[in-house]
Amino acid sequence: ELPLVESGGGLVQPGGSLRLSCLASGFSFSHYAMHWVRQAPGKGLEYVSTISTDGGSAYYADSVMGRFTISRDNSKSTLFLQLNSLRPEDTAVYYCVKEIPGTTVFDYWGQGTLVTVSS
Amino acid sequence: DIVMTQTPLASPVTLGQPASISCRSSQGLIHSNGKTYLSWLQQRPGQPPRLLLYEISNRFSGVPDRFSGSGAGTDFTLKISRVEAEDVGVYYCLQATHFPWAFGQGTKVEIK
Repeated sequence: ELPLVESGGGLVQPGGSLRLSCLASGFSFSHYAMHWVRQAPGKGLEYVSTISTDGGSAYYADSVMGRFTISRDNSKSTLFLQLNSLRPEDTAVYYCVKEIPGTTVFDYWGQGTLVTVSS
Repeated sequence: DIVMTQTPLASPVTLGQPASISCRSSQGLIHSNGKTYLSWLQQRPGQPPRLLLYEISNRFSGVPDRFSGSGAGTDFTLKISRVEAEDVGVYYCLQATHFPWAFGQGTKVEIK
């Protein structure tokens, strides 16, 4: 399997912040656009954000625009998601996802990290 | 934004029998490059999603040939020719042609 290992999840109060990380290995990280997808407990999958190979372009779902920031450090093969102004509805497992180059096919998913927003 | 609608939402199947899941998009999914970025994902209980099929009908590496995909335009179908116990889980369609990407609600496949 192609490992993508997320970390940084946890319990945070509404209005708080967290920074998620995704460490990639086994492929040339800098050559791949990357994505974040989340899944609320017992619910379906929801697209969150995308970043280009060089980090120069970022895209967000309307539900997180202005609150979340995606970034990457290609020298460390690591993807990040900064979560600010968190709301209870942001409670979810956050998955780091790789795509097939030149496409928008999500071919490998990490195990996910759980973010719980609650007072 | 495009809405992806899956039917049925639950599919009880007898082992060895076929299963079929439909996915309908609110708009056509042909990209300007001529490709259709419609994928199918499987999520087994307690596991992350796994790519099964991409660009409507291409099986991903390691996916058994009992899984097949078809369709065009706005209507797509995932078929399992003979359901096995390991196929239990939730299946999602995903469109990644038009931003924002969108998933179907998921279809739960379970054994009768």
